[in-house]
Amino acid sequence: QVQLVQSGAEVKKPGASVKVSCKAAGYTFTTYAMHWVRQAPGQRLEWMGWLNTGNGNTKYSQKFQGRVAITRDTSATTAYIELSSLTSEDTALYYCAREVRYYGSNGYYWDAFDIWGQGTMVTVSS
Amino acid sequence: QSVLTQPPSVSGAPGQRVTISCTGTSSNIGAGYEVLWYQQLPGTAPKLLIYGSINRPSGVPDRFSGSKSGTSASLAITGLQADDEADYYCQSYDSGLSGCWVFGGGTKLTVL
Repeated sequence: QVQLVQSGAEVKKPGASVKVSCKAAGYTFTTYAMHWVRQAPGQRLEWMGWLNTGNGNTKYSQKFQGRVAITRDTSATTAYIELSSLTSEDTALYYCAREVRYYGSNGYYWDAFDIWGQGTMVTVSS
Repeated sequence: QSVLTQPPSVSGAPGQRVTISCTGTSSNIGAGYEVLWYQQLPGTAPKLLIYGSINRPSGVPDRFSGSKSGTSASLAITGLQADDEADYYCQSYDSGLSGCWVFGGGTKLTVL
């Protein structure tokens, strides 16, 4: 069964860092890219960054550049996101999501986030 | 960072048809980037409904359909059912700020 299983809830103090894991099962981990998306209470989904699980290349949203790092351990089929210098505004549900590529005719293709983890709640509070 | 605009809420009676709009800009939908739609039931992760603006993944009922024109896109749901009550989000790629994925603010669908 294809699934992404994330680590448990975290409570952190302002200024601290948090690292959330996302373990992939049921498919070849390095075949599909992984994204991280967060959702603050009552807010929209917000894309944070992307990981090429094959070669480890990353791309981050400019909003988080400099304080986010997405990594992976291919032997553990696990992706990680680490966010530093936490503030109360980082309180949110953090999701990992697998990127799939759908192919159409004439060489067209479309990327989509087809499998999501269950989410990890990160609370930042003094 | 550019974002996509959705109505906060829509409603409809069982069996009816509703549409949810998603308005973008010249750096995302208007630039030709395709739109995706997700359904988020309370307390669960988003579920992919539409990709490539009009395509349904396997397993998604044909009651759900997508369209795109200019800088906007729409999700239509026909034959409304009680378990369609959820939040719906649109997503697209944006070429601004070195490129990133952007989401709409979400639309709460209430089945009356």
